Amino acid sequence: GNSVTQMEGPVTLSEEAFLTINCTYTATGYPSLFWYVQYPGEGLQLLLKATKADDKGSNKGFEATYRKETTSFHLEKGSVQVSDSAVYFCALSDPVGNEKLTFGTGTRLTIIP
Amino acid sequence: GAVVSQHPSRVICKSGTSVKIECRSLDFQATTMFWYRQFPKQSLMLMATSNEGSKATYEQGVEKDKFLINHASLTLSTLTVTSAHPEDSSFYICSGSSGSSYNEQFFGPGTRLTVL
Repeated sequence: GNSVTQMEGPVTLSEEAFLTINCTYTATGYPSLFWYVQYPGEGLQLLLKATKADDKGSNKGFEATYRKETTSFHLEKGSVQVSDSAVYFCALSDPVGNEKLTFGTGTRLTIIP
Repeated sequence: GAVVSQHPSRVICKSGTSVKIECRSLDFQATTMFWYRQFPKQSLMLMATSNEGSKATYEQGVEKDKFLINHASLTLSTLTVTSAHPEDSSFYICSGSSGSSYNEQFFGPGTRLTVL
């Protein structure tokens, strides 16, 4: 079956540091890949997505590239801010015709000034 | 993005009672709604998928008679935890999809259920 493995947290960084949160996946077909973010007290929000190999998703300074050869979708940001403190979830969806999402365990990120 | 609300945000109940959680899509029509359960420091686990006007499809291992899901309209789905027990204590999250954006789901803020 499908599965997502992401870097365990918590992760604590100083403001303006470089961020990488690793995510790898196992899927039988060609899934779409997502990063969701959950700010304190709020629901999950889609941060970025990529639907095919070599696609790069980007939003709010975050980027992730769909790497089929390494089955990875690592999240990166060049310079984090305090407002980026949240829990980040990597997820994949089944191929065509199925909207089910399989999530990783989430990584709690805390940015200190 | 589209907004999904959940009510209540927190609920505490006694063992053996039933609890209903509402999930509403506020500014879009959710043709499909999903219910998830999240244990502390663990991932979201899909419980069931429901399409408006039809019976929910439950994931393997989820008791459909215990977790009753109703999706009576394009903006409302409810999850009723029947005869709740302490092991049902968890964080329940719903999401909705309009089907217009490929595979994008919009999530509610979640409901924390505590069964005493």
